Order: sequence, then structure tokens, then C-alpha cells
Amino acid sequence: KAGVTQTPRYLIKTRGQQVTLSCSPISGHRSVSWYQQTPGQGLQFLFEYFSETQRNKGNFPGRFSGRQFSNSRSEMNVSTLELGDSALYLCASSSGLPTGELFFGEGSRLTVL
Amino acid sequence: AQSVTQLGSHVSVSEGALVLLRCNYSSSVPPYLFWYVQYPNQGLQLLLKYTSAATLVKGINGFEAEFKKSETSFHLTKPSAHMSDAAEYFCAVRSSNNNAGNMLTFGGGTRLMVKP
Repeated sequence: KAGVTQTPRYLIKTRGQQVTLSCSPISGHRSVSWYQQTPGQGLQFLFEYFSETQRNKGNFPGRFSGRQFSNSRSEMNVSTLELGDSALYLCASSSGLPTGELFFGEGSRLTVL
Repeated sequence: AQSVTQLGSHVSVSEGALVLLRCNYSSSVPPYLFWYVQYPNQGLQLLLKYTSAATLVKGINGFEAEFKKSETSFHLTKPSAHMSDAAEYFCAVRSSNNNAGNMLTFGGGTRLMVKP
């Protein structure tokens, strides 16, 4: 069974640009969550989508957005990039059941110059 | 609001020694608790989870954790450390409210170093 796939794995952008990251969940999983990991702030929850609807949202500015498609694949977008957006962005998928565990992808490492 | 505290951002043990990584949580009701491991340049891998069944939870790679409600703790242990255990470990909490979705709140992480 294929795991969670994130693309691209690495990318470099400059301030002011925008970026789109993609996540393909494990087959059959309907929940996709996104997390930002930085050395200073650690792992922080961005948002969760379940059956194409945003179910939860973390405390991030509106520049961070996401969506989920009917096949459960998800994308997140960051507009007007700032230096502080440099981070590892992790996607996790889950069955959505209450005790379902989250399976994480390897992440997309974004560097903003 | 829930929070997780991991005592010790760095822990160093000798190969073969006991591993003890500490995690305390703050929650109004017993939550679901998780331990994840992260190797360099990789995502997070679930070691074990507590979801209100047995309080002593066994996970992969010989790790286990005990949920202690009175101490609001969920410490991770392994009897004998291997070099391959060197990684960063994260404790996480999720609300047991079924309407809360899958949002995890993570602790700051503990980097485990294993000396030969």
C-alpha cells in the first residue's frame, strides 16, 4: 500500500512569490492534515480537510490556504512568501475515524530567499 | 486548550542503556496520546498510541509508554537503546472529542543521542 506522497520534496522561492504544495494520501483515507515544522516553532497545525471540507484550521494568516479534491488529494498554497515561511511542510492522511492514526509524508522543504 | 510538554530537548544514553523520554500533557479530559519518531530528512512515523484502552501501550521497535492520568504523563521507554534509535521523538495529543477532527498538538521534541 503506497504511503503519503508529497511533491515537490524541495523548492526554493523568493520573497513575495507564491507556492503550491501537493499531497496524495493513502488510498481510502479521507482526511488530510497539514503541518509546518520549523526549528523555532516546532510542529504547528495548519489545517485539516475531510471529504473536501475544511474541518479544522490552525492559527496561521490567511496567506496560507488549502483545498482537497474529490479523490482526497490535497494542495496547500502560501501566497506572498516571507522569509519566515521557510520550513518543512508535512502532510498527513488518516481514515478520519476517531482513533485513526495519522500517516505522514516525507514533507516538502521550502526555502524562501 | 491542550498542550504538551516534553522535558529535555536533548537526551543522551549509552547503547544498551534504558531510554526514558518524558511527556506531560494538559487537557481537561483524557485525550488520545501519541509518540512519533522522525529521522533526518524524513516525515514522522508513529511509534505508539493511547486511545483509552490499556494504559500500558506497546509500540514498534521495542518502545512502550504508560498513560498515567494522575500525573498527566505519557512517558516513552525502551529497555535497551540501539544506535538506530538516534532520532527526534515527538509526543502529541489529540482531543478525544470525536467532533474535534484529527488535529494534533505536538510537544517540542526530544533529540535522542545514543553513544557507542
